[in-house]
Amino acid sequence: EVQLLESGGGLVQPGGSLRLSCAASGFTFSSYAMSWVRQAPGKGLEWVSTISGSGGTTYYADSVKGRFTISRDTSKNTLYLQMNSLRAEDTALYYCAKGRIAVVHAVDYWGQGTLVTVSS
Amino acid sequence: DIQMTQSPSTLSASVGDRVTITCRASQSISSWLAWYQQKPGKAPKLLIYKTSSLESGVPSRFSGSGSGTEFTLTISSLQPDDFATYYCQQYNSYSQTFGQGTKVEIK
Repeated sequence: EVQLLESGGGLVQPGGSLRLSCAASGFTFSSYAMSWVRQAPGKGLEWVSTISGSGGTTYYADSVKGRFTISRDTSKNTLYLQMNSLRAEDTALYYCAKGRIAVVHAVDYWGQGTLVTVSS
Repeated sequence: DIQMTQSPSTLSASVGDRVTITCRASQSISSWLAWYQQKPGKAPKLLIYKTSSLESGVPSRFSGSGSGTEFTLTISSLQPDDFATYYCQQYNSYSQTFGQGTKVEIK
């Protein structure tokens, strides 16, 4: 059974940093692209970033480019999102999501999300 | 970036109704479109990928069609479990985009 468990969310001041983690199980982690998708309170879904199965290719939304870094550790079956220079508009529930294949594609499994609140 | 526009934003329907949601892309995305269902307080669920491929375990009353810039999600006979918000997503470009969502409400 595929499981994705996010952690690392919390309250952070504007300009601060946070690192999100997503522990994956139930599938061959290195064979699938992984993504982060966020949802601000009461709002729609916003794609944030995707990393290929090999980890060699990464993609970012313009809204986070240069501030966020996606990475993966195959030895730990864990996906990460390093978030720097956080802004109030980054406040959202952050979902970890598994792609259907190793490169950019639809996502077929989602975690339950970890909440990030950026506020002074 | 490719913009995705869904219509309508809200849809009121009754159990048994045929429901259609439209998603338009600002430029061609070939067939690289997915549909998701999200219920309050829950993570989204993949329904359809590559425009018309039904995800495993999804009821056959859901179907997708289209190509290029115009796509539709159809629910052939709305069931009580289908009242939710639906999102389209393009994954044609390196920068993926979701539509703003369509909330399907009970009439």
